[in-house]
Amino acid sequence: EDQVTQSPEALRLQEGESSSLNCSYTVSGLRGLFWYRQDPGKGPEFLFTLYSAGEEKEKERLKATLTKKESFLHITAPKPEDSATYLCAVQGLRAGGTSYGKLTFGQGTILTVHP
Amino acid sequence: GAVVSQHPSRVICKSGTSVKIECRSLDFQATTMFWYRQFPKKSLMLMATSNEGSKATYEQGVEKDKFLINHASLTLSTLTVTSAHPEDSSFYICSATNPQGLGTEAFFGQGTRLTVV
Repeated sequence: EDQVTQSPEALRLQEGESSSLNCSYTVSGLRGLFWYRQDPGKGPEFLFTLYSAGEEKEKERLKATLTKKESFLHITAPKPEDSATYLCAVQGLRAGGTSYGKLTFGQGTILTVHP
Repeated sequence: GAVVSQHPSRVICKSGTSVKIECRSLDFQATTMFWYRQFPKKSLMLMATSNEGSKATYEQGVEKDKFLINHASLTLSTLTVTSAHPEDSSFYICSATNPQGLGTEAFFGQGTRLTVV
């Protein structure tokens, strides 16, 4: 069974204070690891997909990296508008190399950035 | 990214009544749609997977007779909560994907806040 664990559960930063969120995962075969941002009362907003160890992707102040066991979401010089819950999810492969398509989510990291 | 529209965003219903939630993919054909439930300050819990034209696959512990899912077209899936009770109050979110067209990404609707009184 696929498992995803995110840490920390909550993170409070001052504006401009860079930090990283962690996502540890176990999956029989990884098709993709996803990062989403979720604002209160809204659905998750897609940020990144990572497919293989060593891959990195960037978008504005966010950078996602991937190893065989974990992913990091690095936030550089965050702003108050970056405050949200960040969700990590994995999509596993089944026998034959296909995918069910479904995502297994971690519990999320609640990020608060103070001005 | 692709757009997934979910309706309604909020609904309040009386105990014992049924509520239908719609999930539409607006600019792509969604061969697969997923329905999630989210409790306050908790992560998304997958309820069921629906493929266009076939029966939904429910996760363990989810009552298929209570949560009816229909995926009649490549752009629309519906979740009907039948005989709703207060314990069904929750945030329901759908997502849509098209492995052939969009790859692995799943795009989410804005969610529906259901309150059963």
